[in-house]
Amino acid sequence: AQRVTQPEKLLSVFKGAPVELKCNYSYSGSPELFWYVQYSRQRLQLLLRHISRESIKGFTADLNKGETSFHLKKPFAQEEDSAMYYCALSILTGGGNKLTFGTGTQLKVEL
Amino acid sequence: DAGVTQSPTHLIKTRGQQVTLRCSPKSGHDTVSWYQQALGQGPQFIFQYYEEEERQRGNFPDRFSGHQFPNYSSELNVNALLLGDSALYLCASSLYGYEQYFGPGTRLTVT
Repeated sequence: AQRVTQPEKLLSVFKGAPVELKCNYSYSGSPELFWYVQYSRQRLQLLLRHISRESIKGFTADLNKGETSFHLKKPFAQEEDSAMYYCALSILTGGGNKLTFGTGTQLKVEL
Repeated sequence: DAGVTQSPTHLIKTRGQQVTLRCSPKSGHDTVSWYQQALGQGPQFIFQYYEEEERQRGNFPDRFSGHQFPNYSSELNVNALLLGDSALYLCASSLYGYEQYFGPGTRLTVT
């Protein structure tokens, strides 16, 4: 069965400092990886998907199949980045594409 | 397009009762997934509906059942409520197996 691990419940950084939110997964096949974000009082929304290989709001994430990791990075944290971040894994098959989420990391950007 | 909508916003029920939660998908979407998010946890997959059939199911007991209507909207039913069913219930819609868009959730409290 697939599993997603986010080792940090809370990550606190200063504005302008680099950010790295860790995500490791376990799955023997080729999953699709995502980062979802939830800002205060807002719904869960997609931030990044690994197949897009794009940068959103300055965030990037690279899938490392050797280390089974999909860490989220941003070189310079902004106050508006404070939010809950969830890493998720999906396997698209003919039988559906459920998302398996990690427990989330609360990012707090301090001034 | 209002995106994914869910009703009600909040609900308080007593142990042993039954509850029905509703979800309207984003316009153009045909697949609805339901997730349970307990406090401090990531969302956990309950089941997914496509073409009015349950396509995939997570590790939830049969007390949890669902339905999808011809207009793609969906209901989640929970029978014989337990205190442990208290959680935020999220609905997500997608077009077949692609990006899932989440609703704001229904907060269920079981007393």
